[in-house]
Amino acid sequence: KQEVTQIPAALSVPEGENLVLNCSFTDSAIYNLQWFRQDPGKGLTSLLLIQSSQREQTSGRLNASLDKSSGRSTLYIAASQPGDSATYLCAGVSDRGSTLGRLYFGRGTQLTVWP
Amino acid sequence: NAGVTQTPKFQVLKTGQSMTLQCAQDMNHEYMSWYRQDPGMGLRLIHYSVGAGITDQGEVPNGYNVSRSTTEDFPLRLLSAAPSQTSVYFCASSSGTGRGDGYTFGSGTRLTVV
Repeated sequence: KQEVTQIPAALSVPEGENLVLNCSFTDSAIYNLQWFRQDPGKGLTSLLLIQSSQREQTSGRLNASLDKSSGRSTLYIAASQPGDSATYLCAGVSDRGSTLGRLYFGRGTQLTVWP
Repeated sequence: NAGVTQTPKFQVLKTGQSMTLQCAQDMNHEYMSWYRQDPGMGLRLIHYSVGAGITDQGEVPNGYNVSRSTTEDFPLRLLSAAPSQTSVYFCASSSGTGRGDGYTFGSGTRLTVV
């Protein structure tokens, strides 16, 4: 069964720091990978999608990479701001026959950026 | 705006009552799924569908039923609500049997069973 681990579980940093959030999968048969942001009491907002043929994606101050051979992904946030405070979730789409297309989530990294 | 629409946003049920959570998408996505989110447990898959007329169980299907009569709609039914079903429910859709352009999520239904 696919298990997704996100490290750290929580992170509190001052404004302006560069951050690295980590995600790892027990089964490296991942087709593509998505990073989501969730604000308290709200839904999931897609931040970045790394598709099957890609190894990384960038959007503004965010950069995500995926190493399929090891089943690991990293989300890099540059020059963090208080508005970045939220929970960040990684999710991988299974590329394994019996669970093809299913999305598996980590439990998230709760980020707090203070002024 | 195109996307996934969930109704209602909030619901309180008494134990034993039944209800249907609605989910609709207008992106012509084949793949639709229901998740529940509980503190400390993350998001867990309840049921999913790879197209109209086809549904299958996910990780935590007990107590829930689904059907998929159209591409657009994927309702989730609670037949006899239990306090253990208190949770936030999210519906999601994707193209390409889940391996398309990423998943789109609805805004969620916050359900409390008393």
